[in-house]
Parts: sequence; structure tokens; C-alpha cells
Amino acid sequence: SQTIHQWPATLVQPVGSPLSLECTVEGTSNPNLYWYRQAAGRGLQLLFYSVGIGQISSEVPQNLSASRPQDRQFILSSKKLLLSDSGFYLCAWSVQREGGEQYFGPGTRLTVT
Amino acid sequence: GNSVTQMEGPVTLSEEAFLTINCTYTATGYPSLFWYVQYPGEGLQLLLKATKADDKGSNKGFEATYRKETTSFHLEKGSVQVSDSAVYFCALSYPGTYKYIFGTGTRLKVLA
Repeated sequence: SQTIHQWPATLVQPVGSPLSLECTVEGTSNPNLYWYRQAAGRGLQLLFYSVGIGQISSEVPQNLSASRPQDRQFILSSKKLLLSDSGFYLCAWSVQREGGEQYFGPGTRLTVT
Repeated sequence: GNSVTQMEGPVTLSEEAFLTINCTYTATGYPSLFWYVQYPGEGLQLLLKATKADDKGSNKGFEATYRKETTSFHLEKGSVQVSDSAVYFCALSYPGTYKYIFGTGTRLKVLA
């Protein structure tokens, strides 16, 4: 069966510090991968998605970036965090070309102080 | 463009009450429709789905019917429990595409 992991689970970082969040998927190959952000009490904002290694599409211009160095690994990064980067970050995957359901990871709670 | 609209929350119900959470969508063609549930501090879990008109998705006592004529996918449950307290998201996608469109979520609070 497929599983999706995210780490760390929680993170407290000062403004201006770098960020690296990691997501890995097991039990499937060549998935579509996604990063979402959820502000407190709000809906989901799609940040990035990837349909293959090295292929990243950005949905919202900001100080975040994403990379996909391996088929089932998706990394969200920032060189300098802003207060507005605080939120709940969710990684998700879906089967290529199917448009079926997405499967979400447990999320990372990021607080920028 | 494509969009999903959900009723504003929070929805507060007593245990064993009937639940309806409205969801309507704007889209061309024939999208797939989903309901996800998010418990506090967790990621989203797929609750149910429907891939074509008149399909009924069901799971854990929840149901939703894909109504193309009214472009709706309302979530219902006949008797809610305290454990159903969560945020519910309606979403759509198109087969062969990479993107998903989510509603803003509806918080449900069930009181004992």
C-alpha cells in the first residue's frame, strides 16, 4: 500500500532563516506531487506541483521554492523566511494522468517568529 | 474559470442530528468530485468521490450525489456523532490533468 511521509511535524523558525521541508511517497512510482499551504482556519493554497523529476510548476510567486530530486521525493525550501510563511504545509500525491483522488501527508506546522 | 463554493461554517449540530453541507461547482465538461475530511492537526483524508453524473459516493454513513443539472455535490449524513467534528472540503479535478480545485472548507462541530 502507498504511504506518504512528511517531516518535520512541527517547526519554529526565526524570520530570515532558511527552510527545508521534505516529503516522500512509498508504494507508487511516477506520482504527481503537490505542496499546499493552509493558513490558520483557512482553505488550501496550492504552492507547487510536479509531474516528474526536476519538473516543478509554481502557482503563487513568493519566496518559496520546490525541488524534486528523486521520483518520490519532494522538497519545499526557502532562503529567508517571512512571518507570512507561517502555516500548515501539506504534501500530497496523485496517480499520473488519472485526475483521481489526492492522498495527503500528515502535514508540517511551521511557525515563523 | 473552474471553482468550488461551499457553505460558510461553522455548522454546529447536536449528536444524532441530520447533516447537510452544501457544495456547488462551476466547471466545463465532466469533472470528478470529492469530499475530504480534516481532523484537527492532521492532513486531509478522502471521504468519498463520484466520477460521473448521478453517481453517489458513500463512506462511513456520509453520502453525496453528483448532480450535473444543479452542479452540486452536497454532503449528507443521517445521524452525526461527536467524532464527526472536523473540517470538510469539497473538491474537483479533471481526468488527465494535474490540478485540483478545493472549496474553502466547512467546519462541523457536533455537541454531545
